[in-house]
Amino acid sequence: SQTIHQWPATLVQPVGSPLSLECTVEGTSNPNLYWYRQAAGRGLQLLFYSVGIGQISSEVPQNLSASRPQDRQFILSSKKLLLSDSGFYLCAWSVRWDYNEQFFGPGTRLTVL
Amino acid sequence: QKEVEQNSGPLSVPEGAIASLNCTYSDRGSQSFFWYRQYSGKSPELIMFIYSNGDKEDGRFTAQLNKASQYVSLLIRDSQPSDSATYLCAVNMVGELVFGQGTRLTINP
Repeated sequence: SQTIHQWPATLVQPVGSPLSLECTVEGTSNPNLYWYRQAAGRGLQLLFYSVGIGQISSEVPQNLSASRPQDRQFILSSKKLLLSDSGFYLCAWSVRWDYNEQFFGPGTRLTVL
Repeated sequence: QKEVEQNSGPLSVPEGAIASLNCTYSDRGSQSFFWYRQYSGKSPELIMFIYSNGDKEDGRFTAQLNKASQYVSLLIRDSQPSDSATYLCAVNMVGELVFGQGTRLTINP
């Protein structure tokens, strides 16, 4: 069966500090991978998606970036965090682009102070 | 414009009753529809998907889809306190899964 991991689970960072969040998927090959952000009391915002190694599509302009160095690894980064980057960061995977049934990891709660 | 609309609630239902959650979407060409349950502080969990018009039942859950009306719903029968959560409707629009804001459901014992 497939499993998706995210770490860290929680993170408190000062404004202006760098960020690296990691997501890995087990039990499947060549998954589509996604990064979402959920701000307090708000819906899910798609940040990045990837259909393969080194292939990243960005949905919104921001100070975040994503990379996919391996087939089942997806990394979200920032060089300098803003207060507005606080939120619940979720990684998800799917295997079928047409139906797009997505499964989420446990998430990382980021607080920027 | 890719939009999925849900009533934010909160929706309060007595234990044992039927909870009805509704969702409308903007893209008439959408072909796949999903319901996620999200407990407070946790990540969304996929509980139902539906691709064809009509009803799809899975245990106490029934998803209903009406593509002509661009409307999808989720019924929860014999509601339990453990069903208290936020329910997210998601619609696949041109390869992007677009989420509604979610409906907060509370089941009262």
